[in-house]
Amino acid sequence: GAGVSQSPRYKVAKRGQDVALRCDPISGHVSLFWYQQALGQGPEFLTYFQNEAQLDKSGLPSDRFFAERPEGSVSTLKIQRTQQEDSAVYLCASSFSTASTDTQYFGPGTRLTVL
Amino acid sequence: GENVEQHPSTLSVQEGDSAVIKCTYSDSASNYFPWYKQELGKRPQLIIDIRSNVGEKKDQRIAVTLNKTAKHFSLHITETQPEDSAVYFCAASVRGNNRLAFGKGNQVVVIP
Repeated sequence: GAGVSQSPRYKVAKRGQDVALRCDPISGHVSLFWYQQALGQGPEFLTYFQNEAQLDKSGLPSDRFFAERPEGSVSTLKIQRTQQEDSAVYLCASSFSTASTDTQYFGPGTRLTVL
Repeated sequence: GENVEQHPSTLSVQEGDSAVIKCTYSDSASNYFPWYKQELGKRPQLIIDIRSNVGEKKDQRIAVTLNKTAKHFSLHITETQPEDSAVYFCAASVRGNNRLAFGKGNQVVVIP
């Protein structure tokens, strides 16, 4: 079946611009995660949704970062007033249930470059 | 919070030899340990995982071992092939939260 998809795959923004990154999880998956992956590093947690509820946003680096999942399916990560340090790959992952031992399936990521 | 470390950072092996990557974690409450393979520009793909109620799991050429007392787990790849060349990430579940804490990754290079 279809996996996790993300769009756009690549985004170039000028410093100060706002961007919106979209994630389409696997249909029926309850849990959705956003991670940030800097070059040469492992993914770092940003935020977690259980259906439409954002249960953990402790990883969001600043109040410029905002995420939503209004209908418990598609999610959007928004970054306001982008800075150069926001340049990274933003990965979305989903899992079937709320169990901590559930497999997380990753999307291809959005590579954000802030000039 | 959970801290996951991977060693070595880069590993080169001759085709056909075995590769072993080790990870340590800090939180004794972690109960799920997946390994992901990531090729350049691609998404992380789960290759094997282990839960805290078992000590070893094998899937064809890939195996993972877990030592809960020492808080470390290892990925073993036997009979390596050029297509095994990639970055491998270990991860551990975080107490009270469904997220994963990842290591920094290991670059594995299989030399034909």
